[in-house]
Amino acid sequence: EAQVTQNPRYLITVTGKKLTVTCSQNMNHEYMSWYRQDPGLGLRQIYYSMNVEVTDKGDVPEGYKVSRKEKRNFPLILESPSPNQTSLYFCASRRRGWNEQYFGPGTRLTVT
Amino acid sequence: QQQVKQSPQSLIVQKGGISIINCAYENTAFDYFPWYQQFPGKGPALLIAIRPDVSEKKEGRFTISFNKSAKQFSLHIMDSQPGDSATYFCAAGGWGGSYIPTFGRGTSLIVHP
Repeated sequence: EAQVTQNPRYLITVTGKKLTVTCSQNMNHEYMSWYRQDPGLGLRQIYYSMNVEVTDKGDVPEGYKVSRKEKRNFPLILESPSPNQTSLYFCASRRRGWNEQYFGPGTRLTVT
Repeated sequence: QQQVKQSPQSLIVQKGGISIINCAYENTAFDYFPWYQQFPGKGPALLIAIRPDVSEKKEGRFTISFNKSAKQFSLHIMDSQPGDSATYFCAAGGWGGSYIPTFGRGTSLIVHP
């Protein structure tokens, strides 16, 4: 089954404790993105990647890092999480030349 | 600066009614306009999309109307059903390699039985 998977689905952590949210897709897509979803603000792009070793900032990159060492994986790293990063996070992927994005199921992160 | 403005924020309709959600964009370089549907606990999924070479696209009960001169597009859900209850997002961006979508803030639709 073609899909985007994220882990963990739920995470509660404390301020300053480094964490990684993994994202993997099995569709051989070149493009991958991370979004955060907050009530009343919709989906905002954090980082995106056009291919392996190629990443760029989205609209709200502060406090986040990403890496793309393999085509299928695009982890999101919060090196020192803060409460304002409490949010619902989505990973998405798409094929080069096509606009349809496939979203993962989401990761709900709470930082206390 | 909000490049894609979506309204209303929430919408309640009766079963069988028409649901209408509107979006307005600012960047005239945008040429791909999708609508996503999101159920609670799930990620958004592409519902229907349109490019500016047509003014309307219909897929089943879902129709996008597009007005290039006004820089507006809307989603119409005909014969709305309780199963349509979800959050709907519009988005806009360039086509192909330049596609970095900007999303609207979402509309929570509730269809009462």
